[in-house]
Amino acid sequence: DQQVKQNSPSLSVQEGRISILNCDYTNSMFDYFLWYKKYPAEGPTFLISISSIKDKNEDGRFTVFLNKSAKHLSLHIVPSQPGDSAVYFCAATGTASKLTFGTGTRLQVTL
Amino acid sequence: KAGVTQTPRYLIKTRGQQVTLSCSPISGHRSVSWYQQTPGQGLQFLFEYFSETQRNKGNFPGRFSGRQFSNSRSEMNVSTLELGDSALYLCASSLRDRVGYGYTFGSGTRLTVV
Repeated sequence: DQQVKQNSPSLSVQEGRISILNCDYTNSMFDYFLWYKKYPAEGPTFLISISSIKDKNEDGRFTVFLNKSAKHLSLHIVPSQPGDSAVYFCAATGTASKLTFGTGTRLQVTL
Repeated sequence: KAGVTQTPRYLIKTRGQQVTLSCSPISGHRSVSWYQQTPGQGLQFLFEYFSETQRNKGNFPGRFSGRQFSNSRSEMNVSTLELGDSALYLCASSLRDRVGYGYTFGSGTRLTVV
């Protein structure tokens, strides 16, 4: 039972344009959401998070939007840079002391 | 400050053997969690320890076990290895007792079972 879903396994965006990565969840007990970025042979690196009491959180070029009624969140990267090319994981947590991850979206930023 | 350190980085084992992986968390972090990453399943939660106590366990068979020492270092053990156990095993540590806050991952141990 995949409680956190990233339906796009890959995404290609031109440098300077906006990258939008999407994530859907099914468990209404999730109250905190995170995005991680992962390069090959490295562990995931925390990017940005959002609490369920908010609908938007911004950090530099990264913005996460949360739509609780649709159980949907998205990560916007503006402008996209070649160094952003990586696999992005959406994750969620609730009262249990664990993160539930999506299967990841591979972002390729082209010149 | 030093990050989360996992040893070894790479490991090759034979089916049926057992393996122990080690994780040293960031100094002062008391929560340590383990995840398994495979191409088809993404990152799957194994277990989480806080102050030497297992607080949560994922849906993995009993062959997977772990422990945490008084200095917060953690080990996970897999007995009777199967080919499907080949994966990247990631450890993460956190300062607070609520996961997600300041959650830092190590670079992982790549286990190959042949």
